Amino acid sequence: SAVISQKPSRDICQRGTSLTIQCQVDSQVTMMFWYRQQPGQSLTLIATANQGSEATYESGFVIDKFPISRPNLTFSTLTVSNMSPEDSSIYLCSVAGGGWTGELFFGEGSRLTVL
Amino acid sequence: AQSVTQLGSHVSVSEGALVLLRCNYSSSVPPYLFWYVQYPNQGLQLLLKYTSAATLVKGINGFEAEFKKSETSFHLTKPSAHMSDAAEYFCAVSGESGYALNFGKGTSLLVTP
Repeated sequence: SAVISQKPSRDICQRGTSLTIQCQVDSQVTMMFWYRQQPGQSLTLIATANQGSEATYESGFVIDKFPISRPNLTFSTLTVSNMSPEDSSIYLCSVAGGGWTGELFFGEGSRLTVL
Repeated sequence: AQSVTQLGSHVSVSEGALVLLRCNYSSSVPPYLFWYVQYPNQGLQLLLKYTSAATLVKGINGFEAEFKKSETSFHLTKPSAHMSDAAEYFCAVSGESGYALNFGKGTSLLVTP
């Protein structure tokens, strides 16, 4: 398994500002994923972030709104840009464990509230 | 596209009663299937997974699930509910990329005394 730490765990943000969420993993992993969980909803994949390449975004998500960095095999950041109240969600970082056996491991999530 | 459908957004059971949470999948390839649990204000924890080995999969906290290809189902069960089982449960299937998972809408389990 992998231990994943996310910062911040929660934040209250003003409309129009941007916030960067950090994800730190205790082991080297190739594939990292960013999910969004809107209030009372399921998880929606935002993008896949592989070290050394540009992130791959899912339909409905664009790099200008959700820029992602993946500087090494243990760290990634997701920025939520020009926030609006509709961006109020939990953002979760996840990884496919070493010797991948199918499951993803998740961080505790970053709960953002946009006023 | 690989997807899962969870029947029932809310399920309520009495403590000690059988827990049954339903999940049906749609997949163009043999699927990997998962159940995750999310306790309030926490991340997701893997309960169990099916990866084409035994069709009856046992997980943590007394939960198990049975893969039924003929019914395209992967329902989660527990013989006797405990108050601590109250949480949100998500069924998930491996996506087309083979790595990221596609999640169902979730089922909120309420356990009453």
